[in-house]
Amino acid sequence: GAVVSQHPSRVICKSGTSVKIECRSLDFQATTMFWYRQFPKQSLMLMATSNEGSKATYEQGVEKDKFLINHASLTLSTLTVTSAHPEDSSFYICSARDWRESSEQYFGPGTRLTVT
Amino acid sequence: DAKTTQPPSMDCAEGRAANLPCNHSTISGNEYVYWYRQIHSQGPQYIIHGLKNNETNEMASLIITEDRKSSTLILPHATLRDTAVYYCIVRVNSGGSNYKLTFGKGTLLTVNP
Repeated sequence: GAVVSQHPSRVICKSGTSVKIECRSLDFQATTMFWYRQFPKQSLMLMATSNEGSKATYEQGVEKDKFLINHASLTLSTLTVTSAHPEDSSFYICSARDWRESSEQYFGPGTRLTVT
Repeated sequence: DAKTTQPPSMDCAEGRAANLPCNHSTISGNEYVYWYRQIHSQGPQYIIHGLKNNETNEMASLIITEDRKSSTLILPHATLRDTAVYYCIVRVNSGGSNYKLTFGKGTLLTVNP
């Protein structure tokens, strides 16, 4: 299957700082990318959907000014957690799909964020 | 909320077939059924998806009932490495050509030696 990578795999940052997570599709053009968050022992929660070159669409309850998403190219999307707090500590996972209606959606390996 | 219902857990003996059920009684005619699995602390792994017809690939088979209200994922010869949480998801049209996958709680499949 197609490959989606994330960087970094884990990051520790201090409260009040910002952290950027990258998501790349390595062997296909990702017209749409998604960002999910997963807390321990819970399921994945969709945060936002982004189409290349467009503003992201955020799910209800997700602060768009806190979680900045950029999808500037067909192979790269970034999630920036601004002014991070300990409650933002979570497993952040991106996924990507191409333009086809029946396209599979492939997930990255996830990024473990710990805010101290 | 997720549009699917799955048992919270199942056990399977190594080497036997694992049959994971999923109910999606409110599925619409143009909504796909996707299956993913997640091993602890990893990103979900795509398994298979289908619309109406049964599907098979190198990992699994997907059997969709004729009324499309339920489906079954079949792992023909389960191994210990198949132990994971399996998610059955109905892909929802979120506007225009956009779609999104909403994860439920899934089924924890434990393959026993």
